[in-house]
Amino acid sequence: QSALTQPASVSGSPGQSITISCTGTSSDVGGYNYVSWYQQHPGKAPKLIIYDVTKRPSGVSNRFSGSKSGNTASLTISGLQAEDEADYYCNSYTTSTTYVVFGGGTKLTVL
Amino acid sequence: EVQLVDSGGGLIQPGGSLRLSCVASGFTFRTYTMNWVRQAPGKGLEWLSYISTSSNTIYYADSVKGRFTISRDNAKNSLYLQMNSLRAEDTAVYYCARDGNSYGPDFDYWGQGTLVTVSS
Repeated sequence: QSALTQPASVSGSPGQSITISCTGTSSDVGGYNYVSWYQQHPGKAPKLIIYDVTKRPSGVSNRFSGSKSGNTASLTISGLQAEDEADYYCNSYTTSTTYVVFGGGTKLTVL
Repeated sequence: EVQLVDSGGGLIQPGGSLRLSCVASGFTFRTYTMNWVRQAPGKGLEWLSYISTSSNTIYYADSVKGRFTISRDNAKNSLYLQMNSLRAEDTAVYYCARDGNSYGPDFDYWGQGTLVTVSS
């Protein structure tokens, strides 16, 4: 099945804000408010940071926020910190295959 | 504290079989739907399979349909993935992941992963 499209890499300086996009179709991102975002540090399991497009799990910093417009969801990280350097993945409910599709992942570098 | 502990990985020859396990603790396992997700070395996350609370509904990714079987034992707080006809491209870290409270795929807790290497 086709993955959601994410930029391979983004970068930013400490204190800045960055946005990572996640583009799908009307069968997934555009059709449902079921987009989640995950942060993964090297050698670690992924961590849920955003679900249902905009919601933050308990304990996740409010520097992380999510949004959606049409077939594209976005993750914004404000006030970048060194610890934010990680890989970020989106996923979405989908009707084009079965249940779930992931994005290809975006490597965030904090300069 | 919610915990998911993955196990069962290892080195297996192409065409072989392996059974992964995921033992849950710290929550009422029987009330949560569960998933398996894998990550090939240096690659992204790939969702593999979903199972409902009572095992009535099961989904698979096309890449593993017909070869992998997901199951659960609510009495043992355990999730399983039976993997048959393994191929080199199945080499990956395999994670079990719990579905959170959303209707969509929000995987709120993950196991630590277990590495499966398919090689002769």
